[in-house]
Amino acid sequence: DAGVTQSPTHLIKTRGQQVTLRCSPISGHKSVSWYQQVLGQGPQFIFQYYEKEERGRGNFPDRFSARQFPNYSSELNVNALLLGDSALYLCASSLELAAYNEQFFGPGTRLTVL
Amino acid sequence: KNEVEQSPQNLTAQEGEFITINCSYSVGISALHWLQQHPGGGIVSLFMLSSGKKKHGRLIATINIQEKHSSLHITASHPRDSAVYICAVWGSRLTFGEGTQLTVNP
Repeated sequence: DAGVTQSPTHLIKTRGQQVTLRCSPISGHKSVSWYQQVLGQGPQFIFQYYEKEERGRGNFPDRFSARQFPNYSSELNVNALLLGDSALYLCASSLELAAYNEQFFGPGTRLTVL
Repeated sequence: KNEVEQSPQNLTAQEGEFITINCSYSVGISALHWLQQHPGGGIVSLFMLSSGKKKHGRLIATINIQEKHSSLHITASHPRDSAVYICAVWGSRLTFGEGTQLTVNP
């Protein structure tokens, strides 16, 4: 079975641009979470979606938004990019709401903002 | 103060040594995860704990809920164990420690 997939793998944008990152969970997984990992730090929680509804949001500005589709795949959108948005963006899926379920992580999308 | 603190930040060991990485947290949690991250970014879940102890191969994870502390042990360490080990706790959301960079030399 395929694991969690993310696209694109790498992305270079300039300040002020907008970006969309995509995540496909493991088949049968209903929950998708997004994390931002700045170089040298641990990941930071951005969003959690379950059954197409937002179930949690981290301390990120409104420039960050996400959605989950009927097939449980998810997109993370970031508007008005800043240099500080440069990071590895990780997606993780789990069978149910993640607290009591193992999370399976994708390979990440490395975003560079110039 | 971070909600999740790991120690040490960096650890260098010789092949075969017994390794311990510690994690302390300050919030009420429903579960604690130990994760392994290799260069390039891929993260693998090693353990999910809510009480007691779990063992998988050479890896052992323990948690003491009363003391809000968890440890990850690696027995007979090997160079392929070199990675960043991250502790993450489920309170109201998944909160991660900064990670411990482990290097095992042959």
